[in-house]
Amino acid sequence: GAVVSQHPSRVICKSGTSVKIECRSLDFQATTMFWYRQFPKQSLMLMATSNEGSKATYEQGVEKDKFLINHASLTLSTLTVTSAHPEDSSFYICSALRTGLSTDTQYFGPGTRLTVL
Amino acid sequence: GENVEQHPSTLSVQEGDSAVIKCTYSDSASNYFPWYKQELGKRPQLIIDIRSNVGEKKDQRIAVTLNKTAKHFSLHITETQPEDSAVYFCAAPSGGYQKVTFGIGTKLQVIP
Repeated sequence: GAVVSQHPSRVICKSGTSVKIECRSLDFQATTMFWYRQFPKQSLMLMATSNEGSKATYEQGVEKDKFLINHASLTLSTLTVTSAHPEDSSFYICSALRTGLSTDTQYFGPGTRLTVL
Repeated sequence: GENVEQHPSTLSVQEGDSAVIKCTYSDSASNYFPWYKQELGKRPQLIIDIRSNVGEKKDQRIAVTLNKTAKHFSLHITETQPEDSAVYFCAAPSGGYQKVTFGIGTKLQVIP
């Protein structure tokens, strides 16, 4: 099957610092990856679409300068939460899109629990 | 954009009974409907999906039905087991290339 890793799994940081989260597709190439945010007991909210070799596309209400996305290779996308504040504490999940002959399927990473003190 | 509604938000069933979760969508052009299972603190896992050229798809105890006219699709789990307890999300394409919109999720509890 398709495997997507995410690192780190948990991070605790002080307010005002920046945190980088990595998303890797381990056994397939992904020109498109997605970043989601999930609050407790809620659904996945798409933050942005990460495109290899081009700028990310952000959803309405998501600050581009706050959540920096870089998709430098076909297997790696990174999300950097800049100047993190307690309200940024959340579960961040990436997914990588595996394209096929008849179907395109999103495979999710295990998520990163961010706690900003 | 796509609007996906999912219900119920919580569902409790006795072990061995069936569970049904329903979703509706708004964009008649949508043609791909995946279902994900998410256990507490873990990643969503694709469990089944259906494309608009079929009305039903089955995989062992799990089945999905699609009614394009009514714009709704449902997940059916038969002979439920305690390990089926999780949150289930439906999704539908949301206008942008390959993006999907998720439903709010259904917390399924299977009581032994």
